[in-house]
Amino acid sequence: DARVTQTPRHKVTEMGQEVTMRCQPILGHNTVFWYRQTMMQGLELLAYFRNRAPLDDSGMPKDRFSAEMPDATLATLKIQPSEPRDSAVYFCASGPPGWGDETQYFGPGTRLLVL
Amino acid sequence: DAKTTQPPSMDCAEGRAANLPCNHSTISGNEYVYWYRQIHSQGPQYIIHGLKNNETNEMASLIITEDRKSSTLILPHATLRDTAVYYCIVRVATGANNLFFGTGTRLTVIP
Repeated sequence: DARVTQTPRHKVTEMGQEVTMRCQPILGHNTVFWYRQTMMQGLELLAYFRNRAPLDDSGMPKDRFSAEMPDATLATLKIQPSEPRDSAVYFCASGPPGWGDETQYFGPGTRLLVL
Repeated sequence: DAKTTQPPSMDCAEGRAANLPCNHSTISGNEYVYWYRQIHSQGPQYIIHGLKNNETNEMASLIITEDRKSSTLILPHATLRDTAVYYCIVRVATGANNLFFGTGTRLTVIP
């Protein structure tokens, strides 16, 4: 049963610290998405990649957030420096290649608390 | 930019069919209807999608009206584990692959 995995599952840090979240997409999937979920804003897209190339990161605060895919099996989302307003659940999702099948499969999320 | 309208909450008795409506009156010809759900503290889970024909899989059925302006997700025999927030999303199948989740319908299955 292939699944998207995310690490860490929980992270508590202090304001100003760097946070790195990792995602392993489902093997064979060529699209990767990062979402953020808060009570106030719901689920928001931060960035997405296709074939490891960033296609859209307009939802991401550029001054402190960065997203990369060093290889096809790893996606990272970094926050530096972190701020209390970054506290949220961050979800990674991956999708299979193909026309007309744009289903996204979500990981369990990383719960981030910035104090 | 929400393209769908869903009731904020619904209840359903365990074992009965849960029918979740969604209005998408501005849907374009090349936009699909997708349904996802999010069980508490978990990531969203894909349920089903369709373009204009009704669809059925092991989880649910999707009924799309002929004019495509609305649809209904049917869980034929709701269980307590189906309690979740259900999101109806319309999007093109290719190009911009992001999903706009909106606020969804919170379905509570009652014993």
